[in-house]
Amino acid sequence: AQSVTQLGSHVSVSEGALVLLRCNYSSSVPPYLFWYVQYPNQGLQLLLKYTTGATLVKGINGFEAEFKKSETSFHLTKPSAHMSDAAEYFCAVSERGGGADGLTFGKGTHLIIQP
Amino acid sequence: DGGITQSPKYLFRKEGQNVTLSCEQNLNHDAMYWYRQDPGQGLRLIYYSQIVNDFQKGDIAEGYSVSREKKESFPLTVTSAQKNPTAFYLCASSISGQGQFLNTEAFFGQGTRLTVV
Repeated sequence: AQSVTQLGSHVSVSEGALVLLRCNYSSSVPPYLFWYVQYPNQGLQLLLKYTTGATLVKGINGFEAEFKKSETSFHLTKPSAHMSDAAEYFCAVSERGGGADGLTFGKGTHLIIQP
Repeated sequence: DGGITQSPKYLFRKEGQNVTLSCEQNLNHDAMYWYRQDPGQGLRLIYYSQIVNDFQKGDIAEGYSVSREKKESFPLTVTSAQKNPTAFYLCASSISGQGQFLNTEAFFGQGTRLTVV
C-alpha cells in the first residue's frame, strides 16, 4: 500500500523568499509522484509530475520538485514566492503499473505568502 | 475544450434527503473517481470506476452510491445514510486505472460544495 506524508499543514513565507513544501511517500513499487495546487473553492490543478527519467522535474508557475529515492521524498520548491502562489498544495503518489484506485493524496499544505 | 464538468457548484440538502452530484468528462478517459475533501483531511476516495458498468468502493463508500452507465458520466448519490455529508466533493478522471501507463495523473472538475441544512 502507498501513503503520503506532507510535513506542515501550514507554511508561511515572505514574498520573494524560497518556497519549500515537503513530501515523503511510501510505496512497495517504484512510484509515480505528483504535486497539485488548489485555489479556494476550485478543483485541483497539476503542477508537475515524476514518472521516469530525470529526477528534477520542472512544472508550471516556476515550481520544481526533485525525486530522491534514497530519502523517499519529493519536495516542492520555488526560488521566489509570489502572492499568487498562496493556495493549498497536495502531494500524491500512484504505484507504477497503474493503481486501480488512482492516486493517494497527502493531507495538504496551506501556503501563506506574507507581503 | 476537453475537461470535466461538475454540477451544481453549490448544493443544499435537507436531513433525510438523497441528492445526486453530476460529473461529466469529454476526455475519453476510462477511469473516473469521486473524492471527498474536508478541511485538514486531504482527499479521501469514495468510489472509482475503471470501465463502463463497473465500479469499486474506495476508503469511505458508506452512505454513497454511484453508477457508470456511460463512459463520460459518473454521478454520485449522497444518501440519507451518510451521516455527515457536508463537504467539498471532487470528481476526477484519468486515462486508465490499470495497466502500464506513463500519464497516470488525474484531471479534476471544479467541485461541488454540499451543505446539509
